[in-house]
Amino acid sequence: EAQVTQNPRYLITVTGKKLTVTCSQNMNHEYMSWYRQDPGLGLRQIYYSMNVEVTDKGDVPEGYKVSRKEKRNFPLILESPSPNQTSLYFCASINRGSSYNEQFFGPGTRLTVL
Amino acid sequence: DAKTTQPNSMESNEEEPVHLPCNHSTISGTDYIHWYRQLPSQGPEYVIHGLTSNVNNRMASLAIAEDRKSSTLILHRATLRDAAVYYCILWGGGADGLTFGKGTHLIIQP
Repeated sequence: EAQVTQNPRYLITVTGKKLTVTCSQNMNHEYMSWYRQDPGLGLRQIYYSMNVEVTDKGDVPEGYKVSRKEKRNFPLILESPSPNQTSLYFCASINRGSSYNEQFFGPGTRLTVL
Repeated sequence: DAKTTQPNSMESNEEEPVHLPCNHSTISGTDYIHWYRQLPSQGPEYVIHGLTSNVNNRMASLAIAEDRKSSTLILHRATLRDAAVYYCILWGGGADGLTFGKGTHLIIQP
């Protein structure tokens, strides 16, 4: 089954404690992306990756890092989380080589930073 | 980025058709019109997309105005499981991600 998986699904942590949210897709997609969703602000793109070892900033990259060492995985790293990063996070992937252009989203990770 | 305008919410009855409108008067020639929906506690889910011609798939139909300045997502027979927030998004397929607005909150009454 084609899918994007994220772990953990829920996380409560404290300010300054480094964390990583993993994202994996099994569709061999080149393009992957991270979004955060906040009430009243909709979904906003954090970082995206066009291919292995190619990453770039989205609209709200401050406080986040990403890496793309292999095609299937695109982890989101918070080196020093702060309360304003409390949010719902979604990973997505897309087959840009196809005219279909459907983005597949993961189930989301709800992060609370105390 | 070209913007879209959708009603904040709409209500319909189960097993009736639903027409969700979207205005995008500043759409560019290369923008595709995409629709996604987000069910409660889930990630967004692709519904349909089109460029100029009307499109049909197993989930819905997309009717695009001749001048492309508006479009309508049609759910032919709404069920309770169709209750979600529906997003109309313009995307040219570039490196930037999808820009999600506030969408339309669709309420289905039994």
